[in-house]
Amino acid sequence: QKEVEQNSGPLSVPEGAIASLNCTYSDRGSQSFFWYRQYSGKSPELIMSIYSNGDKEDGRFTAQLNKASQYVSLLIRDSQPSDSATYLCAADGVANSKLTFGKGITLSVRP
Amino acid sequence: DGGITQSPKYLFRKEGQNVTLSCEQNLNHDAMYWYRQDPGQGLRLIYYSQIVNDFQKGDIAEGYSVSREKKESFPLTVTSAQKNPTAFYLCASLPALSYGYTFGSGTRLTVV
Repeated sequence: QKEVEQNSGPLSVPEGAIASLNCTYSDRGSQSFFWYRQYSGKSPELIMSIYSNGDKEDGRFTAQLNKASQYVSLLIRDSQPSDSATYLCAADGVANSKLTFGKGITLSVRP
Repeated sequence: DGGITQSPKYLFRKEGQNVTLSCEQNLNHDAMYWYRQDPGQGLRLIYYSQIVNDFQKGDIAEGYSVSREKKESFPLTVTSAQKNPTAFYLCASLPALSYGYTFGSGTRLTVV
């Protein structure tokens, strides 16, 4: 069973701080990685995708991928209360046509 | 605007009753998916379909059924065999795996 794991939460940071969310995956053949944001009672929304080793920046968000360590992370700079949500990490698989999701980590940004 | 429409937003089911959740997309995506979300459980795959008239079981297909008669539509039936159906149900689609899923707004099913 291919797995995506997100480290334990919830995570609480003060407004303006950097929030660091981590994720590991077990399928060495995974090529595409995604971060989804899910507000309470709403459906997940894609906020970042990453395919190559290194960093990918989009506004206050930076996704990082290290395929050798099978590790994906999401950094949120200048965290805002509106960033308070559950963040889901997902990866594709070599032999299947679906994404595997982690259980998510809940971020709370304190004003 | 293109997107995925799930209906109804809220659904109440009596014990022993079958109910059908609707999922329609106008994105021209080939692949469609049904997930179930329970608190603290993450997303669990129920069924998925890559082309019309074909679908595969996911990790928790027991007690559920689907059909894919049209590219745009992928309805999910929660049967009376599903003993604990109370959950948030999400439909998703994608043009290719590397693009990631687009999700519908979800249906919250409650057993009464």
